[in-house]
Amino acid sequence: DQQVKQNSPSLSVQEGRISILNCDYTNSMFDYFLWYKKYPAEGPTFLISISSIKDKNEDGRFTVFLNKSAKHLSLHIVPSQPGDSAVYFCAAKGAGSYQLTFGKGTKLSVIP
Amino acid sequence: EADIYQTPRYLVIGTGKKITLECSQTMGHDKMYWYQQDPGMELHLIHYSYGVNSTEKGDLSSESTVSRIRTEHFPLTLESARPSHTSQYLCASSDSPLYGYTFGSGTRLTVV
Repeated sequence: DQQVKQNSPSLSVQEGRISILNCDYTNSMFDYFLWYKKYPAEGPTFLISISSIKDKNEDGRFTVFLNKSAKHLSLHIVPSQPGDSAVYFCAAKGAGSYQLTFGKGTKLSVIP
Repeated sequence: EADIYQTPRYLVIGTGKKITLECSQTMGHDKMYWYQQDPGMELHLIHYSYGVNSTEKGDLSSESTVSRIRTEHFPLTLESARPSHTSQYLCASSDSPLYGYTFGSGTRLTVV
C-alpha cells in the first residue's frame, strides 16, 4: 500500500511559467517531507523540505506547501527553467524514524 | 570534497554469479541506506545501517546482504544473481534525514 503518492507521472510546462508538482500521503505519523530531483543515470539530489508544523517553506525559485488536513503537499517552481527538467520525488519521514518513504516520481519537462 | 561513491555504475552479469556493489562516503555519516528502484517506480528501502556493525532489512524483501565494518563503507552483496535482481541500486547516507539524504550515482544492474 503506497503511503506517498504522486499521481501525475509526467508534467510539461513552458519555460518561465510555474511548475506545480503534487504529492499526497496517507500516514498521519509523517512529520517531515522532502523533495528530491533526479536526472537520468544519477542519484536523487535533495531539493527542499518542510516540517509538519509549517505550511510553507521557500528557497529561491522553489516553494513547498503543506496542507496537513488534506494530507497534501506541493512543490512550486517559479519561473521554470529548461534545467529543471528531471524526475521529482516526494518523500516523507515518520516521527521517530530516520527512514524516508518515497513516491513514484513525476517527470517534469520544461519546454524552451 | 565530501561525497558518496558507488561502483560500478553499470554492471551486466550472468545468472548465478556473485556480485558486490560498493558504496563509500567521506562525510562521516553514521546512517547509510540501500534503495532499489525500477523505472517509473518509487525507491524501495532494502537495507539500512545506523552505525558500524549495525544492519537491518528494509521494507522491501531482498535476497541481498550488507555489511558495515567501517563507518564509510556499506557494500551490498548478491550471492547468486538472478534476472529478477535487474534494477537500479542507490546508496545514500545522512546525519539526519531532516537535511536530506546524500545519494550516490547508483549502480544499474542487469542480470542476463
